[in-house]
Amino acid sequence: SQQGEEDPQALSIQEGENATMNCSYKTSINNLQWYRQNSGRGLVHLILIRSNEREKHSGRLRVTLDTSKKSSSLLITASRAADTASYFCATDARNTGKLIFGQGTTLQVKP
Amino acid sequence: GAVVSQHPSWVICKSGTSVKIECRSLDFQATTMFWYRQFPKQSLMLMATSNEGSKATYEQGVEKDKFLINHASLTLSTLTVTSAHPEDSSFYICSARDALVNQPQHFGDGTRLSIL
Repeated sequence: SQQGEEDPQALSIQEGENATMNCSYKTSINNLQWYRQNSGRGLVHLILIRSNEREKHSGRLRVTLDTSKKSSSLLITASRAADTASYFCATDARNTGKLIFGQGTTLQVKP
Repeated sequence: GAVVSQHPSWVICKSGTSVKIECRSLDFQATTMFWYRQFPKQSLMLMATSNEGSKATYEQGVEKDKFLINHASLTLSTLTVTSAHPEDSSFYICSARDALVNQPQHFGDGTRLSIL
């Protein structure tokens, strides 16, 4: 069963603005991963943050992890129209090896 | 980087047909592969974990006789949708991981299955 909750479900912003997506989960994890999916395509891995890490950066992406609150956020700075996609968080749960996905946030960046 | 190839990308077939989908890890050995199902505008639902050389582990509510999984080698897992019906129409995605902990999974591009 899915264990991740994401908000917002949908986000529409202007090019150049920042986009923030939040993810919450329920169980202990090894790591939390963020993925991007363009319509009708597979998933592209964006960033992985381990359970002992609190913040990670990759280009215009910034991910935070708060294991005490069982939550994570993905910030995309200076958004571009090409960032339009669905974004999913996924938790790599301890002792299972499975990757469980959140419900996703659909991001639309208007040019 | 690691690549996972999924084939075919699109299948349209008649009700009652069995359909096989292949998932290959191209440049690494994957002892474990995963099969997901995704309905339009929804998230990925894990169907089963495919283990090389042993039986697959299915998630609750997934019919193992309906969705046959074979992981015959370290680079290939197959999902066969047996006697497919229109309600089986969906987007099926596989992923693979190597043996290292705290590494991302690598996803195929998915297979769009349409049953008429």
